Amino acid sequence: GAVVSQHPSWVICKSGTSVKIECRSLDFQATTMFWYRQFPKQSLMLMATSNEGSKATYEQGVEKDKFLINHASLTLSTLTVTSAHPEDSSFYICSARRGGEQYFGPGTRLTVT
Amino acid sequence: TQLLEQSPQFLSIQEGENLTVYCNSSSVFSSLQWYRQEPGEGPVLLVTVVTGGEVKKLKRLTFQFGDARKDSSLHITAAQPGDTGLYLCAGGSENAGNNRKLIWGLGTSLAVNP
Repeated sequence: GAVVSQHPSWVICKSGTSVKIECRSLDFQATTMFWYRQFPKQSLMLMATSNEGSKATYEQGVEKDKFLINHASLTLSTLTVTSAHPEDSSFYICSARRGGEQYFGPGTRLTVT
Repeated sequence: TQLLEQSPQFLSIQEGENLTVYCNSSSVFSSLQWYRQEPGEGPVLLVTVVTGGEVKKLKRLTFQFGDARKDSSLHITAAQPGDTGLYLCAGGSENAGNNRKLIWGLGTSLAVNP
């Protein structure tokens, strides 16, 4: 149990376009999901906490208007990178909380050209 | 601000050697989790420890939570190339009002050479 999927696994987009990434908990309901960004061989950097039915809580320095988060159901949270730029290229990972633990999706590799 | 210091940051060893990774903090955590991540994939939860002094074993991996719940260690016996990856520790905050987000160590990149 505790399987989390992410889609797409990788995406290439042009600068100025928007990209949506989906995070789904497949076999459990998650009131809270988290979105992370990770650079090569580095730890996870929390971007925001997504709560079902309410606004996301963003970490300091993360632009909420650029990284739009929607958590419309107990099994789905989406992250939309708006007006993407090359510096937004990164590995984005979501997790879903079950009890006191987080279970992670496989990540999405975003490349902005 | 709660911080988790993880060491070493990088480790390259030969197959069969033993190693220990440490996570230390000045803060008390309600739980401490260890994850392993391979390139291009999400982290996979290895273990959660919640009681001070707790020791858990997962085959050749031994996890320990400090008595004061401020530190933890991961010991690998007779490392194998399949153990290669990024090991991450994460502490669960005792503050229940912060969506129970995790405090992350910086990670230990382990390479086990055949």
